[in-house]
Amino acid sequence: GIQVEQSPPDLILQEGANSTLRCNFSDSVNNLQWFHQNPWGQLINLFYIPSGTKQNGRLSATTVATERYSLLYISSSQTTDSGVYFCAVNNAGGTSYGKLTFGQGTILTVHP
Amino acid sequence: DTEVTQTPKHLVMGMTNKKSLKCEQHMGHRAMYWYKQKAKKPPELMFVYSYEKLSINESVPSRFSPECPNSSLLNLHLHALQPEDSALYLCASSQARNSPYEQYFGPGTRLTVT
Repeated sequence: GIQVEQSPPDLILQEGANSTLRCNFSDSVNNLQWFHQNPWGQLINLFYIPSGTKQNGRLSATTVATERYSLLYISSSQTTDSGVYFCAVNNAGGTSYGKLTFGQGTILTVHP
Repeated sequence: DTEVTQTPKHLVMGMTNKKSLKCEQHMGHRAMYWYKQKAKKPPELMFVYSYEKLSINESVPSRFSPECPNSSLLNLHLHALQPEDSALYLCASSQARNSPYEQYFGPGTRLTVT
C-alpha cells in the first residue's frame, strides 16, 4: 500500500514562531488532507489539497503531486496550535477507494 | 454544516458486554467510515459504507459488527471485546466513496475494555 511519511516527528516552538511540516507519499494520490488533532481527539480539517496551494489565515499548504510531497506552513504560532498534525492520502488508481492512509503525525508544542 | 456526531463520548465495557457506538451526519453524504486510533498512533481504517452497503472491511475481527440502517446513520456493534481493543473510535463521512472527496470526522468515542 501507499506509504506516508511526516517530518519532523516532534516540534517545539515559542509563541510567534513560524514552522513548516512536511508530508512525503510513495505513490500518486487523488486526495490529500491535513488535519489537526486536538487534545480531546477531535480531527479538525485544515486543508483538502491534492494539488496546488491554499491559504487559511495563518495556515497555508502546498502539494506538489508530481514530486509526491505536501507542506503545511504555520505562521505566528499560538499556544492553541499545539496538538498533532496529520497528513492523510488516498491512493489514486488503488482499489481501496475512499481509504485515507495517515502519516505518523507531527506533535507540535507551542510555548507561551 | 460539516458536522458528524458520535455517541457516546466515553464507554467502559467488560469483555462479556455488548454495546454499540453510534454515528450520525446530516450533510447528505453517501459514504461513511469507521476508523480506530490507538494511543500515540494515527487512525486506521476499519470499514467503509457506500450507499448503505459495506464496501471495504479491512480484515476487522468479527467481534466488531458495523451496520448502516440509513444514509445518515452508522453503528458499530461491539461484542466480546478484548482489552487491546481499547482505543478512540472515529467516524467519518464524505460525499461519496470514490475520491476525490473530503472526509469529515466526528469527535470520536473513547472506548475502554476492562
